[in-house]
Amino acid sequence: DQQVKQNSPSLSVQEGRISILNCDYTNSMFDYFLWYKKYPAEGPTFLISISSIKDKNEDGRFTVFLNKSAKHLSLHIVPSQPGDSAVYFCAVTHREKLIFGTGTRLQVFP
Amino acid sequence: DGGITQSPKYLFRKEGQNVTLSCEQNLNHDAMYWYRQDPGQGLRLIYYSQIVNDFQKGDIAEGYSVSREKKESFPLTVTSAQKNPTAFYLCASSIQVAGNTGELFFGEGSRLTVL
Repeated sequence: DQQVKQNSPSLSVQEGRISILNCDYTNSMFDYFLWYKKYPAEGPTFLISISSIKDKNEDGRFTVFLNKSAKHLSLHIVPSQPGDSAVYFCAVTHREKLIFGTGTRLQVFP
Repeated sequence: DGGITQSPKYLFRKEGQNVTLSCEQNLNHDAMYWYRQDPGQGLRLIYYSQIVNDFQKGDIAEGYSVSREKKESFPLTVTSAQKNPTAFYLCASSIQVAGNTGELFFGEGSRLTVL
């Protein structure tokens, strides 16, 4: 049973525009919500996080939004750059574990 | 230069053979993890360890074994009992257990192919 879902396997965005990646979760007891970025044949790297007591967190071009009533998490990247092309995983913390979504491949084209 | 080192980067194995993947960290992190990545399935937790000489099963531990004899090292053995071992394996560490903040540091991964 998938507790964290990323329903869009891929997303294509023009350079300079906004990229919006989405994630849905099932359990209201999750504490932290995170986004990781992964390039091919490399390990994921932490991008940004938000705790369950907040609804927005910003870091430069990256903003994460948390809608607890809808159990929905989103990542906004603006403006998008070609170097942002990667697979993005949302993840949630639950007790001592980190649970990942299935990933969304973002492609930013010129 | 602090980080996590996984070896080998690529490994081929015949069916029926056990294989051990190495993971070493010099970040002085207490917690270490093994994840497996398959296409379209994201990252799934195999085993994790919060302290030396202690480890816990993750969601897909069957066919795998680990040890944590030293803080820096968390090797993963893929046994012949693992039915679908071909995958990309990722080791990670964190200052404290993942449930606190979720920020993990990952190695570059080991790709295992069973022939």
